Amino acid sequence: DTAVSQTPKYLVTQMGNDKSIKCEQNLGHDTMYWYKQDSKKFLKIMFSYNNKELIINETVPNRFSPKSPDKAHLNLHINSLELGDSAVYFCASSPTTGLDTQYFGPGTRLTVL
Amino acid sequence: GENVEQHPSTLSVQEGDSAVIKCTYSDSASNYFPWYKQELGKRPQLIIDIRSNVGEKKDQRIAVTLNKTAKHFSLHITETQPEDSAVYFCASTYTGRRALTFGSGTRLQVQP
Repeated sequence: DTAVSQTPKYLVTQMGNDKSIKCEQNLGHDTMYWYKQDSKKFLKIMFSYNNKELIINETVPNRFSPKSPDKAHLNLHINSLELGDSAVYFCASSPTTGLDTQYFGPGTRLTVL
Repeated sequence: GENVEQHPSTLSVQEGDSAVIKCTYSDSASNYFPWYKQELGKRPQLIIDIRSNVGEKKDQRIAVTLNKTAKHFSLHITETQPEDSAVYFCASTYTGRRALTFGSGTRLQVQP
């Protein structure tokens, strides 16, 4: 059974388009995250949700809008895609405390042409 | 905000040798320090972590040390094997933050 899953795995799109990435975890965790990994492999937090409530928004452009319909799902919608949005986006989850293992999804490689 | 510096950016060792990766954090409130391994094209996975109330933790060939005074923590891999080749990330966080701040990563290559 996959603990944290993301769809799609690959996303290729044109500048200016709008796209969404979906994430689901079956671990019963309360906290979910979106991280961005750029071409230099640097991993940076974008958003953190706890029980559907936004906890962290790390100065991400408002073209990025996360949505958590329930605590097992965290989706990411991106409007007006730009070349600089090309990256691998990882969803992750962890139990409530935050001081424990984060389980990452397989990642979504977004390429903006 | 928290800043984590990681060195070296690349490390090449011979199979059987030891490898050491070092990180420095800036926020003295940080109290949790995990290390993640990311193989090519795969997701990051936790390999070991340490909390601020201990100075060292070991799990088979992997150990992590923490110096709170100097705000340093290090990953030690002994008897390296080709399957240890990957990018290793250190990270830190503190109680209540609910997100990790990652170092820039170290690409470890173990030569057979």
